Amino acid sequence: TQLLEQSPQFLSIQEGENLTVYCNSSSVFSSLQWYRQEPGEGPVLLVTVVTGGEVKKLKRLTFQFGDARKDSSLHITAAQTGDTGLYLCAGVFWGSQKLVFGQGTRLTINP
Amino acid sequence: GAVVSQHPSWVICKSGTSVKIECRSLDFQATTMFWYRQFPKQSLMLMATSNEGSKATYEQGVEKDKFLINHASLTLSTLTVTSAHPEDSSFYICSARSPGNTEAFFGQGTRLTVV
Repeated sequence: TQLLEQSPQFLSIQEGENLTVYCNSSSVFSSLQWYRQEPGEGPVLLVTVVTGGEVKKLKRLTFQFGDARKDSSLHITAAQTGDTGLYLCAGVFWGSQKLVFGQGTRLTINP
Repeated sequence: GAVVSQHPSWVICKSGTSVKIECRSLDFQATTMFWYRQFPKQSLMLMATSNEGSKATYEQGVEKDKFLINHASLTLSTLTVTSAHPEDSSFYICSARSPGNTEAFFGQGTRLTVV
């Protein structure tokens, strides 16, 4: 079974602080996506990474794909209360077409 | 990004009845669609993968006779929960992917409550 481990599952920090969320697997991904989900809604795609070592930026969010394509991270700089939400990593393992999700990180940014 | 529409957004049904949920890709052709189930405060659990014109591939532990999936066209997949029971109450979400694309786009989800 190909598993995708996401950590931490819960994170509560003060506004202005930085944070990093990790997504790891023992298997290689052909691609990996990061999503954000609001309560009662479907996940919204933030970014897709495909190439090992790839770094993508979306305003204060920085996404990194590991060189071996087995891990990824999401770093948020100077977190704002509007960043509060559920962040999900999801990967397509090499040789598969399935999109499998990590456990999610419930992020709370306190004013 | 591409638009995926899921209908209905919420449904309440009586125990023993069947419920059909539709997932449509509005502006692209989706050769592959995925159905997920999400429990409160948890992540998405893949139920099945469907490819247009062929039978769905179900994940281990998912009853194919209970959760009927049909992907009859490139823009529509349906999930029918048959003989629903209260334990089937959950948030069901579909996603769709176009050929050659790695990105999957999600519907709004359907909250099913079985009473």
